[in-house]
Amino acid sequence: EAQVTQNPRYLITVTGKKLTVTCSQNMNHEYMSWYRQDPGLGLRQIYYSMNVEVTDKGDVPEGYKVSRKEKRNFPLILESPSPNQTSLYFCASSRTGQPNQPQHFGDGTRLSIL
Amino acid sequence: AQKVTQAQTEISVVEKEDVTLDCVYETRDTTYYLFWYKQPPSGELVFLIRRNSFDEQNEISGRYSWNFQKSTSSFNFTITASQVVDSAVYFCALSEGGSYGKLTFGQGTILTVHP
Repeated sequence: EAQVTQNPRYLITVTGKKLTVTCSQNMNHEYMSWYRQDPGLGLRQIYYSMNVEVTDKGDVPEGYKVSRKEKRNFPLILESPSPNQTSLYFCASSRTGQPNQPQHFGDGTRLSIL
Repeated sequence: AQKVTQAQTEISVVEKEDVTLDCVYETRDTTYYLFWYKQPPSGELVFLIRRNSFDEQNEISGRYSWNFQKSTSSFNFTITASQVVDSAVYFCALSEGGSYGKLTFGQGTILTVHP
């Protein structure tokens, strides 16, 4: 089954404790990205990757890191999480980075930073 | 800069009513793409439709229809004979021609369909 898999689905942690949210897709997609969803703001892009070893900032990259060492994986790293990073996070992928490509989203990761 | 506005924060209807979700967008590009996504209570995002800026034909898919009007920069979504399973958050999104796949989302509209 074609899917984008995120882990964990839920996480409660404390300020400053490094965490990684994993994202994996099995569709051989070139393009992957991360969004965060906040009430009243919709979804905003954090980082994206056009292909392996190619990553770039989205609209809200501060406090986040990503890497793309393999085509299927695109982890989101919070080196020193803070309460304002409490949010619902989505990983997405599409066949290419062309703007007409519908994106496939994971089921989301709800992060709470205390 | 691109922007998407969904002015209706929440809509509540009774089953079998028709409901229209509004979406207004701003962009300077002549080539762009518009999307609707559904987020049911389980939380995942489900792709519903894509429209490109050169195709203003309205589209119907079962009980769903979409009205794209460039003159008013709107891409509205109508559900006919709504059902309880239509209860969800609906997002309208825009992708510009040179945006490297970035989706700019509206704030979302929470639709509740009561039995």
